[in-house]
Amino acid sequence: KNEVEQSPQNLTAQEGEFITINCSYSVGISALHWLQQHPGGGIVSLFMLSSGKKKHGRLIATINIQEKHSSLHITASHPRDSAVYICAVGAPSGSRLTFGEGTQLTVNP
Amino acid sequence: DAGITQSPRHKVTETGTPVTLRCHQTENHRYMYWYRQDPGHGLRLIHYSYGVKDTDKGEVSDGYSVSRSKTEDFLLTLESATSSQTSVYFCAISVSGTDYEQYFGPGTRLTVT
Repeated sequence: KNEVEQSPQNLTAQEGEFITINCSYSVGISALHWLQQHPGGGIVSLFMLSSGKKKHGRLIATINIQEKHSSLHITASHPRDSAVYICAVGAPSGSRLTFGEGTQLTVNP
Repeated sequence: DAGITQSPRHKVTETGTPVTLRCHQTENHRYMYWYRQDPGHGLRLIHYSYGVKDTDKGEVSDGYSVSRSKTEDFLLTLESATSSQTSVYFCAISVSGTDYEQYFGPGTRLTVT
């Protein structure tokens, strides 16, 4: 069993829909990261959080430390949101990350 | 983009040849990483560095070596490339004091024939 599990693996939505991507982990962590990988391959950090909730524009990330679970929400989805979304957890000591396999999101106009 | 570049961006090589990939950063960050990305797997850590001449193995280090003789450069070497090392390779840096948020280079697509 992977230490970081994401669901769903693939997600197709219509423009304007509310989207949720889930991440569960089985180890102790220092922080949880959400990353976005564009169709061209570039990877950017969206959020890093260790408790509660963070919001950036139409993206919201939440984490429940007790349940070892995080969600990434996208409100009013748009075709430009189409990308792979990757969850990663940071080790309690040190700087290493463990990554989930990613969720491929396609938003159709 | 944290000033991270990778070279080459694309490479095709033959089985058994040595290959070196370069990661260069312009902001003197201490931590640097090499990952590979393959279908069906998440990003997997090959090697990482926490300073000049300080490196350690990741989860998929067999067949790879690294060197860091200057803060700004982290080199990944495949001593004798195999077809199983066909992959996309990403370099990353992390910023200490920020819970190690990571910034990624643009990636190198390596094909071993």
